Amino acid sequence: AQTVTQSQPEMSVQEAETVTLSCTYDTSESDYYLFWYKQPPSRQMILVIRQEAYKQQNATENRFSVNFQKAAKSFSLKISDSQLGDAAMYFCAYRSPDYTGANSKLTFGKGITLSVRP
Amino acid sequence: DAGVTQSPTHLIKTRGQQVTLRCSPKSGHDTVSWYQQALGQGPQFIFQYYEEEERQRGNFPDRFSGHQFPNYSSELNVNALLLGDSALYLCASSRFTGENTGELFFGEGSRLTVL
Repeated sequence: AQTVTQSQPEMSVQEAETVTLSCTYDTSESDYYLFWYKQPPSRQMILVIRQEAYKQQNATENRFSVNFQKAAKSFSLKISDSQLGDAAMYFCAYRSPDYTGANSKLTFGKGITLSVRP
Repeated sequence: DAGVTQSPTHLIKTRGQQVTLRCSPKSGHDTVSWYQQALGQGPQFIFQYYEEEERQRGNFPDRFSGHQFPNYSSELNVNALLLGDSALYLCASSRFTGENTGELFFGEGSRLTVL
């Protein structure tokens, strides 16, 4: 079974600064997907960024980028130029590939609460 | 384009009662999965429905059951409620392309409180 670990329960960053959120995972699969989701107080999970394990290049989405280290099973999220609206819970998640329509299961970490100081 | 909609948004039940939560997937999506999120925790996978069948199930007892309708909407039923069932229940939808399941879109959840 796959596990996802987020060991930092809380982090704080000054507005306009950069912050890195850590995530490690454990799996015996070679092909999989990794995600970072944001959950603001509105409760809706919003996809921030996605990484396919077979891609060596780290994913980037505007101010968000990841550092994917497959051998180390590490997947950290870097938020540049932090904004007040980035304050939320952030979850790291793992998903196995699905070739049959039978697997949309995400395994989530416990999450990290990010606060942004003005 | 409406996203994933869930109802009700909040509800309170007492121990031993039964509850039904509803989910309408995003337009064009055919797969629905349900998650339980306890306070301060990450979501836990309950089960997934595709083509009106339960395709995969997490580590939840049989008190948790579901259904998917021909229009792809879904229900989550929980019988004999326990205090520990108090949580946010999230529905997520996606579209299976035949090669892989696409991105999951989440609803805002149903907050269940069991007294």
